[in-house]
Amino acid sequence: SYVLTQPPSVSVAPGETATMTCGGSNIGRRAVHWYQQKPGQAPVLVMHYGDGRPSGIFERFSGSNSGNTATLTISRVEAGDEADYYCQVWDSLSDHVVFGGGTKLTVL
Amino acid sequence: EVQLVESGGGLVQPGGSLKLSCAASGFDFSGSAMHWVRQASGKGLEWVGRIRTKSKNYATSYAESMEGRFTISRDDSKNTAYLQMSNLKTEDTAVYYCLKVRPTLAFDPWGQGTLVTVSS
Repeated sequence: SYVLTQPPSVSVAPGETATMTCGGSNIGRRAVHWYQQKPGQAPVLVMHYGDGRPSGIFERFSGSNSGNTATLTISRVEAGDEADYYCQVWDSLSDHVVFGGGTKLTVL
Repeated sequence: EVQLVESGGGLVQPGGSLKLSCAASGFDFSGSAMHWVRQASGKGLEWVGRIRTKSKNYATSYAESMEGRFTISRDDSKNTAYLQMSNLKTEDTAVYYCLKVRPTLAFDPWGQGTLVTVSS
């Protein structure tokens, strides 16, 4: 089955740029979506393939995808960006949805 | 506004059964595939399964660990999706979310989910 690999944690100072990766075989050929989950809350879609940022999501959030790595980048990080971030794809071979293990973003 | 309201969670003993419901509104429910995703406390998101629309014969697909124990169904006349869980294990303890997908196959929006606790 298809596997998505995310680093468990990323730390960044306020005002800096946070880069979170999502690794998978030829993931650059897939539609990758990203979710933000703050403690005690349900996940929120922050980036999706094709349409980019859903309405209400800050322009500081951007995504890219090439080769074996998809990336979610958050510019000018703020304390309020501290959360868990998950990537997700649909695996057409198995007809299953796959989530990465998640990355905890800590704002120092 | 799209709304998905999960219900039916609670405490159940190992080996028991439970049926979750998902009341949908604000979109074309009968024309939308519906998915279930779960999250154990302190853990990541795990896809449970999906049911397609009538035009696609209500085809279902499940994660391997749930195949044979979980059944997803829907009642388009009631705009409701269901997740029937049987032979529950302690590791099935989680918050369960029902979701629709955007055309890009991204899940949006997410409701608050319903908590299932499997414990003796």
